[in-house]
Amino acid sequence: TQLLEQSPQFLSIQEGENLTVYCNSSSVFSSLQWYRQEPGEGPVLLVTVVTGGEVKKLKRLTFQFGDARKDSSLHITAAQPGDTGLYLCAGARGDSWGKLQFGAGTQVVVTP
Amino acid sequence: DSGVTQTPKHLITATGQRVTLRCSPRSGDLSVYWYQQSLDQGLQFLIQYYNGEERAKGNILERFSAQQFPDLHSELNLSSLELGDSALYFCASSVGLAGRNEQFFGPGTRLTVL
Repeated sequence: TQLLEQSPQFLSIQEGENLTVYCNSSSVFSSLQWYRQEPGEGPVLLVTVVTGGEVKKLKRLTFQFGDARKDSSLHITAAQPGDTGLYLCAGARGDSWGKLQFGAGTQVVVTP
Repeated sequence: DSGVTQTPKHLITATGQRVTLRCSPRSGDLSVYWYQQSLDQGLQFLIQYYNGEERAKGNILERFSAQQFPDLHSELNLSSLELGDSALYFCASSVGLAGRNEQFFGPGTRLTVL
């Protein structure tokens, strides 16, 4: 059982559409990170959120950390083929130091 | 390029064998983490070292061990290999100890056990 549940597992959309990926847990996290991973490569850090209710924007990507610090979402506006990849959320809990708990990931495919 | 290097890129070996995976962290990073990624288990944390000392342990098998050397590079040793050990193994590094520190991942080592 994953501590962090990501939904949906798979998302296929057309270029120009919007999409939202969710990351939920019953546990509280001191911080939450989002990564994107391409096949055969390591995950690449996109953003870290640490404050409940925090919203961060990275160009067309908007990240939100829930008020209770148990959930997060990633919204992509006007998706492009270059946004294709596996999106992973990862949370750090106060009692676990460097140990990051990863969700299973959401595979996003953006077709031209 | 994250600045984290891993060797080798690919490794093919037989059951029962022992292999060593190597990781060099980003310049200035003191923490090194090892992860295993398989299709059915996703990305699983194995172990963390900080400045040469083990600091956190995940679901690492007893057949697996790791160490971090004075120059801060790290090695993950996998022994008595089984078919189920076939996976991508990633190393990540960060400046400090805490989980909220941003971790930068290397390109991974793909291990295939035949």
